[in-house]
Amino acid sequence: AQKVTQAQTEISVVEKEDVTLDCVYETRDTTYYLFWYKQPPSGELVFLIRRNSFDEQNEISGRYSWNFQKSTSSFNFTITASQVVDSAVYFCALSEPSGNTPLVFGKGTRLSVIA
Amino acid sequence: KAGVTQTPRYLIKTRGQQVTLSCSPISGHRSVSWYQQTPGQGLQFLFEYFSETQRNKGNFPGRFSGRQFSNSRSEMNVSTLELGDSALYLCASSLALTGNTDTQYFGPGTRLTVL
Repeated sequence: AQKVTQAQTEISVVEKEDVTLDCVYETRDTTYYLFWYKQPPSGELVFLIRRNSFDEQNEISGRYSWNFQKSTSSFNFTITASQVVDSAVYFCALSEPSGNTPLVFGKGTRLSVIA
Repeated sequence: KAGVTQTPRYLIKTRGQQVTLSCSPISGHRSVSWYQQTPGQGLQFLFEYFSETQRNKGNFPGRFSGRQFSNSRSEMNVSTLELGDSALYLCASSLALTGNTDTQYFGPGTRLTVL
């Protein structure tokens, strides 16, 4: 069955620190997709990244980077030089092409960046 | 291109009433999914519609229903409201040309409070 675990419930960092949000997933499929979404206080889920199971290359987008490791079933997200605007709840999610659910979400990690 | 829109943004109802929420997807997107977000249960999948047909359904009671129109707009209805239905209801749209492989883009949500 699909499952996504975000063990960190809340993280608090001081501005300009680097922070890594952990995501561990479970799936029986060989083809699957992993996502990260950001949910600011306004409530809307903002799409950050989509990665398919055959592409293990790490990705960097500005201050954001993602480390995908199939060997450990992890898809971790790092924010470099964090800013107050990064404060939000971050969700990791999994989808399987053959699944009955478009997306299965982790419980989310609440990140607070303090000025 | 305009994003996913949801109306209304806020709603207050009393137990036993029914409610209808509306979602307009991104232009060209044919799939609309609905999720319920609560502090205790997190993000849970309600149902997905594609070309006016329900494609997938989550584990929710029959009081929760939905439909999709020919222009891809979708509505969800909750009858006989209970206190536990208080939640943020999020709608997401995707191209969904190949099942659960496309990125879902979310609207701002409708916050429902049941008194």
